[in-house]
Amino acid sequence: DQQVKQNSPSLSVQEGRISILNCDYTNSMFDYFLWYKKYPAEGPTFLISISSIKDKNEDGRFTVFLNKSAKHLSLHIVPSQPGDSAVYFCAASARTGTYKYIFGTGTRLKVLA
Amino acid sequence: EAGVAQSPRYKIIEKRQSVAFWCNPISGHATLYWYQQILGQGPKLLIQFQNNGVVDDSQLPKDRFSAERLKGVDSTLKIQPAKLEDSAVYLCASSRTGGEGTQYFGPGTRLLVL
Repeated sequence: DQQVKQNSPSLSVQEGRISILNCDYTNSMFDYFLWYKKYPAEGPTFLISISSIKDKNEDGRFTVFLNKSAKHLSLHIVPSQPGDSAVYFCAASARTGTYKYIFGTGTRLKVLA
Repeated sequence: EAGVAQSPRYKIIEKRQSVAFWCNPISGHATLYWYQQILGQGPKLLIQFQNNGVVDDSQLPKDRFSAERLKGVDSTLKIQPAKLEDSAVYLCASSRTGGEGTQYFGPGTRLLVL
């Protein structure tokens, strides 16, 4: 059972426009969410996180929105740059026990110059 | 600050053979994780160490996989015997404290079982 879902395997966006990556989760116990970016032949790198007590967190060009009632989060990248082309994973954890991260299947973003 | 180191980067073996992967976490990081990432899927946690103790190994196939973290620093993950479905990238990550502490990933070891 996939507790964290990224239903769009790929996304193409023009340089300078907004990229919106979506993630849904099913476990209501999740209260901490993260986005990781992965380039080919490299490990994932941390991008941004959000706690369930917030509905928005910004870091430069990256903003994560959390809709707890819909069990949905999204990552907005504005403006998109060619260097943002990568696979983006969302992950969720419950801040009890071991804080184990459950990752989605990833969305491949391609930013077109 | 040096990142998480892993070796080898690539490994090809035949089914029923054994294989071992090595990970050196970021200096001072108490928590170490091993993940398995099968093609087209997200990383799946296999085992989590806090110092040299196991915190979570609920998804580790213990009949064939084993891991250790002697002295609370380096770690090795072993598969014996390997199956075709073990073909994946094996990622090691570390964090300073565990919990909400950011996990830093190594480049991974790509395993192909023929």
